[in-house]
Formats: sequence, structure tokens, C-alpha cells
Amino acid sequence: SQTIHQWPATLVQPVGSPLSLECTVEGTSNPNLYWYRQAAGRGLQLLFYSVGIGQISSEVPQNLSASRPQDRQFILSSKKLLLSDSGFYLCAWSVRGAWTGELFFGEGSRLTVL
Amino acid sequence: AQSVAQPEDQVNVAEGNPLTVKCTYSVSGNPYLFWYVQYPNRGLQFLLKYITGDNLVKGSYGFEAEFNKSQTSFHLKKPSALVSDSALYFCAVRANTNAGKSTFGDGTTLTVKP
Repeated sequence: SQTIHQWPATLVQPVGSPLSLECTVEGTSNPNLYWYRQAAGRGLQLLFYSVGIGQISSEVPQNLSASRPQDRQFILSSKKLLLSDSGFYLCAWSVRGAWTGELFFGEGSRLTVL
Repeated sequence: AQSVAQPEDQVNVAEGNPLTVKCTYSVSGNPYLFWYVQYPNRGLQFLLKYITGDNLVKGSYGFEAEFNKSQTSFHLKKPSALVSDSALYFCAVRANTNAGKSTFGDGTTLTVKP
């Protein structure tokens, strides 16, 4: 069966520090990968999605970047965090090419920027 | 552009009563519609989806949803609510012409009281 791992689960970082959140998927090949941010426990905002290694689409201009160094690995980064980067970050995957497919989410990473 | 509206921030029902969580959408092309559930500090879990065919779709945990093209709605329903159904519910839409991009509503908090 497929599983998705996301870490760290919680993170408290000072303003201006770097960020790296990692997500890996097991049990499937060539997944579509996504990073979402959820603010204040409500709606989800799509940040990045990827259909293959090195292929990243950015949805919102911001202080963050994403990379996909391996087929089942998706990393969210920042060089200098802002207060507004605080939130709950969710990684998700779906079956490649199956645009009818549902998303499978990780357990999330809660980032607090102080 | 595609969008989803969940007009109710909060829905309260008594255990054993039927529940409805409302969702309307706007999309160019044929919609793919999804419902997800989120428990506190967890990732989202897929409940059900409409792609094509029968307008009434059945999903996990006894939930079902009815697709209404003329009203552009996809309301989530359950005949008899359980206290354990209390959670945050999200409706999402993806256009068949907008590969990879799911748009989520702001969520509806369902509270089922004993």
C-alpha cells in the first residue's frame, strides 16, 4: 500500500531563518506531488505541484520554493522565513496522469515563525 | 478560474439525525468533485468523488454526495450522524481542463452532539 511521510511534524523558527520541510511517498511510482498551506485551520492554498523530477509549478508568488530531487521526494524550502509563513503545511500526492484521482495527504507540518 | 463555496462555517446536528454539508462550485469544463475530512492537527482524508455517471455517489463511513449540474452543487450527506463524524469537511473541485490543480473550499466544521 502507499504511504506518505512528512517531517518535521512541528517546527518553531525565528524570522529570517531557513526552512526545509520534506515529504516522501512510498509504494507508488511517478506520483504527482503537491504542497498546500492551511492557515488558521481553514481553507487550503496550493503552493506548488510537480508532475516529475525537477518539474515544479508555482501557484503563488511568495517566499518559498520547492524541489523534487527524486521521483518520490518533495521538499519545501525558504532561505529567510517571514512571520506570514506560519501555518500548517500539507504534502499530498495523486496518481500520475489520472486527473480524476483524489489527493492523498500527509499528516502535515506545523510551522510557527516567531 | 475555478472556485468552491461552502456557505456554512459550522453545521450542528444531533446524533442519529441526517446531516448535509453544502458545496457549490464554479469551473470551466466538466468538474471533478471531491469531499475530504480533516480531524484536528491531521492531514485530510478522502471521502468520495464525482467524476461522471450516476449523480449520487457513495463514499467512506456511510457518506454520500449528490451532484447537481444545473445548480452547480455537490452537497455531502449522511442519513444518520455519529458523534465521531465531528470534524472539518472540505469540498474540492478540479476541472478536466486544468490538470493537477484542485481548488478547495474554506471548510465546514461539523459538530454532532449526543
